[in-house]
Amino acid sequence: GNSVTQMEGPVTLSEEAFLTINCTYTATGYPSLFWYVQYPGEGLQLLLKATKADDKGSNKGFEATYRKETTSFHLEKGSVQVSDSAVYFCALISGGSNYKLTFGKGTLLTVNP
Amino acid sequence: DADVTQTPRNRITKTGKRIMLECSQTKGHDRMYWYRQDPGLGLRLIYYSFDVKDINKGEISDGYSVSRQAQAKFSLSLESAIPNQTALYFCATSDAGQPGANVLTFGAGSRLTVL
Repeated sequence: GNSVTQMEGPVTLSEEAFLTINCTYTATGYPSLFWYVQYPGEGLQLLLKATKADDKGSNKGFEATYRKETTSFHLEKGSVQVSDSAVYFCALISGGSNYKLTFGKGTLLTVNP
Repeated sequence: DADVTQTPRNRITKTGKRIMLECSQTKGHDRMYWYRQDPGLGLRLIYYSFDVKDINKGEISDGYSVSRQAQAKFSLSLESAIPNQTALYFCATSDAGQPGANVLTFGAGSRLTVL
């Protein structure tokens, strides 16, 4: 079956530090990959996505590249801000699962001023 | 108004009580989902519905039931609540769209505490 493994948190950084949150996956077929973000007290919202190998998703300074050879989709940002403090979820959809999202367990990021 | 509205936002109840969480959407999406979020476990799918006449169990459907009253409405019921159902519940919707491009829109969540 499908599964997503992401680095365990919490991750604590200072403002303007470089961020990497690792995500690897197991899936049947050719999955689409996503990063969702959950700000405190809110629901999840899509941060970025990639639908095929070597695609790079990007949004709000965050980037992630779909690496089929390493089955990875690591999230990066060059300079984090306090407002980036949130929980980040890696997720995938594969046609073999009737298009249901499979989520990782989430990584809590705290950015200090 | 929010695209996906959940009610109630917070609920405290007692063991054995029947609880209904409601979800309505203005996205016009066919697909609706109920997820449960627990610390350290991420999100787990309880039920999903691809249209009004199509309802399916997810990973953790035991102890839950759902009703798809209309395209825009999808309710989750706990027939007899128990303390380990204390969690944050999310409703989500998606367009059928292009396979592989499926993006979920989430509600703000319903926090349920069962004493």
